[in-house]
Amino acid sequence: AQSVTQLGSHVSVSEGALVLLRCNYSSSVPPYLFWYVQYPNQGLQLLLKYTTGATLVKGINGFEAEFKKSETSFHLTKPSAHMSDAAEYFCAVSKAAGNKLTFGGGTRVLVKP
Amino acid sequence: DTGVSQDPRHKITKRGQNVTFRCDPISEHNRLYWYRQTLGQGPEFLTYFQNEAQLEKSRLLSDRFSAERPKGSFSTLEIQRTEQGDSAMYLCASSLDGTRDEQYFGPGTRLTVT
Repeated sequence: AQSVTQLGSHVSVSEGALVLLRCNYSSSVPPYLFWYVQYPNQGLQLLLKYTTGATLVKGINGFEAEFKKSETSFHLTKPSAHMSDAAEYFCAVSKAAGNKLTFGGGTRVLVKP
Repeated sequence: DTGVSQDPRHKITKRGQNVTFRCDPISEHNRLYWYRQTLGQGPEFLTYFQNEAQLEKSRLLSDRFSAERPKGSFSTLEIQRTEQGDSAMYLCASSLDGTRDEQYFGPGTRLTVT
């Protein structure tokens, strides 16, 4: 079975500072990896995904993530936080295209002015 | 492309009542997924369809839960004899087909069982 662990349920960053959200996964097959963002009372929006190919993936809103197979990690970063980045972020894994997603518990990001 | 829509957005019901939620996927999307999200947790998979065929059901989907997608377009999720533990956000997502990995989520239906 697949699983996802997100370290830190809450992260507080200052505006303009680096955002780093950690995600580790377990999978018996090469995984498909995703980061989603959820704003209050809204559904999930895809930030970026890794399927195959380049291990550094760029997404929307200046976010990027790097797939590290040896560390079974897919950490999300953004060089400079903006107030609009305050939201909850979910890492997810699936074992094939079109399959169900297994999500981590989420990390809520607070951005301080 | 109007996105995934869900109806209703909010539902308050008394314990023991039946409720039904509807999801309309993005037009021409063949796969449709249901997830449940409780407060402070990540979404958990419930079931998914390829057209009208239900391909997988989670063990979370007890016999009180049933999902259908009769014509391969919209889907309904029914919960019978609701319990307080059913209170959650029910999310629907769709994807183009089984070869595409990107799932697009709707806004969710928030169920409160009193």
